[in-house]
Amino acid sequence: DVKVTQSSRYLVKRTGEKVFLECVQDMDHENMFWYRQDPGLGLRLIYFSYDVKMKEKGDIPEGYSVSREKKERFSLILESASTNQTSMYLCASSPPDRGLSGYTFGSGTRLTVV
Amino acid sequence: DQQVKQNSPSLSVQEGRISILNCDYTNSMFDYFLWYKKYPAEGPTFLISISSIKDKNEDGRFTVFLNKSAKHLSLHIVPSQPGDSAVYFCAASGNYNQGGKLIFGQGTELSVKP
Repeated sequence: DVKVTQSSRYLVKRTGEKVFLECVQDMDHENMFWYRQDPGLGLRLIYFSYDVKMKEKGDIPEGYSVSREKKERFSLILESASTNQTSMYLCASSPPDRGLSGYTFGSGTRLTVV
Repeated sequence: DQQVKQNSPSLSVQEGRISILNCDYTNSMFDYFLWYKKYPAEGPTFLISISSIKDKNEDGRFTVFLNKSAKHLSLHIVPSQPGDSAVYFCAASGNYNQGGKLIFGQGTELSVKP
């Protein structure tokens, strides 16, 4: 059974902390994505990557960075966490077919910044 | 600038009746559309898709209709079941940028009452 695994289901961090959200996929997918889900705003793309060491900004990259050193792992970094980054974070992966076969999502990380 | 819009945040239907979820888009370059279903505390899962060369696609109880001239798509669930209660996201893809990342709507929360 193919999987996208996010390292934490729930996280509570303090304002100003550096936060790492990890995502690992076992499907050998080229594409990986980080979204955040907020009520009334749906899923908004933060960053994506089409290959190792490659990254592209999504629609809301401010305050975030990413790292993809290995094909299976895509990390989202909050350089200095703020309360407006409290959200559900979803990682996804897909083959290089522009999403036509559907993304596979992880279960999400609920991050609370206090 | 919301390119994919789901204007109904919630929908409530009786078990056995039809559920109709709507989605509008603004970008005429989109040529592939998908629906995802999301339960609380889980990641979204792919449900059904449609290419812009078609106007209808069926999969069991789920049918997606596409009206390109109106830039509108809808998901019909017949008959609705309590297990269908979830948040439904529509998404769109266009071959106009590298990889054609998916753009998601805000989501509609469907509640099917026994």
